[in-house]
Amino acid sequence: AQSVSQHNHHVILSEAASLELGCNYSYGGTVNLFWYVQYPGQHLQLLLKYFSGDPLVKGIKGFEAEFIKSKFSFNLRKPSVQWSDTAEYFCAVNGAGSARQLTFGSGTQLTVLP
Amino acid sequence: GAGVSQTPSNKVTEKGKYVELRCDPISGHTALYWYRQSLGQGPEFLIYFQGTGAADDSGLPNDRFFAVRPEGSVSTLKIQRTERGDSAVYLCASSPRTGDSETQYFGPGTRLLVL
Repeated sequence: AQSVSQHNHHVILSEAASLELGCNYSYGGTVNLFWYVQYPGQHLQLLLKYFSGDPLVKGIKGFEAEFIKSKFSFNLRKPSVQWSDTAEYFCAVNGAGSARQLTFGSGTQLTVLP
Repeated sequence: GAGVSQTPSNKVTEKGKYVELRCDPISGHTALYWYRQSLGQGPEFLIYFQGTGAADDSGLPNDRFFAVRPEGSVSTLKIQRTERGDSAVYLCASSPRTGDSETQYFGPGTRLLVL
């Protein structure tokens, strides 16, 4: 069975600090990888996704993530966070060419202090 | 354009009662998903529709849970004989096609509380 681990449950940063949120997955096959974000009071929305090609993926609002197949990782990064990035971030995976449903990690709450 | 909508936004019921949760996907989206999110956890898959049929219902926890999508658009998640452990946020998502790399667009969820 596939699984996703997000080891950081709560991250607190000051504005302009750099961000890296960890995501590791377990799956016996080719995967598609996603990062979703949930801003306070809003619904889940897609930040970025990887399904093939360049392992460095750029998303909205200056976020990027790198797929490292040998490490089963898909870490999310942003060089300089803003107060408006305060949100909960979820990593998710599904099997390429097979299951459509997403398996999510437990999420990381990011708090950015002004 | 309009996103995925879910009604009601909140539902409080008593243990043993029956509830229905509704999802209106984005117009034209063929795939529809239901997930359940418990406090402090990520969403967990329940069931996936491709058109009118349930393509995968392996995530439904037991036979008290059932979902339909009779006309390939609106879907209803039905929970019989609710239990306190059913309390969670129920999320619906839709995608334009059924490919595995398709983006799923989520609704705001229905927060269910079983007393």
